[in-house]
Amino acid sequence: GQNIDQPTEMTATEGAIVQINCTYQTSGFNGLFWYQQHAGEAPTFLSYNVLDGLEEKGRFSSFLSRSKGYSYLLLKELQMKDSASYLCAGMDSNYQLIWGAGTKLIIKP
Amino acid sequence: DGGITQSPKYLFRKEGQNVTLSCEQNLNHDAMYWYRQDPGQGLRLIYYSQIVNDFQKGDIAEGYSVSREKKESFPLTVTSAQKNPTAFYLCAIGDRDGSGANVLTFGAGSRLTVL
Repeated sequence: GQNIDQPTEMTATEGAIVQINCTYQTSGFNGLFWYQQHAGEAPTFLSYNVLDGLEEKGRFSSFLSRSKGYSYLLLKELQMKDSASYLCAGMDSNYQLIWGAGTKLIIKP
Repeated sequence: DGGITQSPKYLFRKEGQNVTLSCEQNLNHDAMYWYRQDPGQGLRLIYYSQIVNDFQKGDIAEGYSVSREKKESFPLTVTSAQKNPTAFYLCAIGDRDGSGANVLTFGAGSRLTVL
């Protein structure tokens, strides 16, 4: 079956670095997405990886290892506004997205 | 909300009633999607449409219906056959970004509560 696993909740301190992990099992693979979702709001696109390696976008970076079925989202210089849920989604061979349940990130001062 | 408008934002329904959630976009995108979000679960695809007058069932289409009579509109009807309709409903459009990824842009969502 197809599955996305990510931790349910994480806590970090303002100004610190946090890494949110995601493991995936999909029928075929056409990329791995990360979205951010603030409580009660719509998800917004953060990153897309289809090749192995690290993609950096400002304070946020995303890493992919296709051989391990593994990705992580790295958030640096954490700010209070980064408190949100982070959704990992894998795209299968039919270009359908398989979504994880999301990781709720709590930032403490 | 990136040119996608969902309404209503909150909706209450009595058991046995059908309700229709609106999704309108002015970005001229062909692909539109409806997802359902429940606590502790990933987004689940209800229906999607790649072109006007055509739509496909997603993973949890039972108890739902859609239409795509116009490119800019993709309404979702939650019928009385849907046994557990209380959820957060998200409409999205799909578009390819510079890297070729099919990126979804979501509307603000509609929260349906069955009383």
